[in-house]
Amino acid sequence: DAKTTQPPSMDCAEGRAANLPCNHSTISGNEYVYWYRQIHSQGPQYIIHGLKNNETNEMASLIITEDRKSSTLILPHATLRDTAVYYCIAGNLHNAGNMLTFGGGTRLMVKP
Amino acid sequence: DTGVSQNPRHKITKRGQNVTFRCDPISEHNRLYWYRQTLGQGPEFLTYFQNEAQLEKSRLLSDRFSAERPKGSFSTLEIQRTEQGDSAMYLCASSFEGNQPQHFGDGTRLSIL
Repeated sequence: DAKTTQPPSMDCAEGRAANLPCNHSTISGNEYVYWYRQIHSQGPQYIIHGLKNNETNEMASLIITEDRKSSTLILPHATLRDTAVYYCIAGNLHNAGNMLTFGGGTRLMVKP
Repeated sequence: DTGVSQNPRHKITKRGQNVTFRCDPISEHNRLYWYRQTLGQGPEFLTYFQNEAQLEKSRLLSDRFSAERPKGSFSTLEIQRTEQGDSAMYLCASSFEGNQPQHFGDGTRLSIL
């Protein structure tokens, strides 16, 4: 799996968009970008994933740069319940045994 | 609720005892993963099943650890002769084949006295 780099922490005002960056400059052509978040005492929650194109679902949007060396997860209207550790992972799960390799993540604090 | 279910949620035991955790994956998911997470760290991969076959093991999985998925549905993770260093959250995840995302349970928190 490609190594990812994320800022250790970020703050965001409630109601504003939270933009969480991730650098994955060594990503290979067949590796996807996955985003998970983990709220205290719970398991990681899948948010979104993508290969090349930008993706959007009911939780978030994923913007991947054209060279695929970085991406941004956007929570359009952050709420207090979005306070969590957000993990960006680059990998290919197609091959058997390709597990998710978690880094340190970004601790997002949404403030009133 | 049709998510990944793990039992028990918490386990406290004395050093040297054996413990067993259970994971019920999302139905029809043929892949099942076990991870371990210590305080302040991200989850680390332990082992992986495709249906009933255990196809991958991490070096973290010492010979005191054993995992099974006998009928390709639920899985158990057993730790024998527990040690202080085994204290952690044990997470289970499941997925379909391909590049489909893994979905996690809320884990079993193990505390060794």
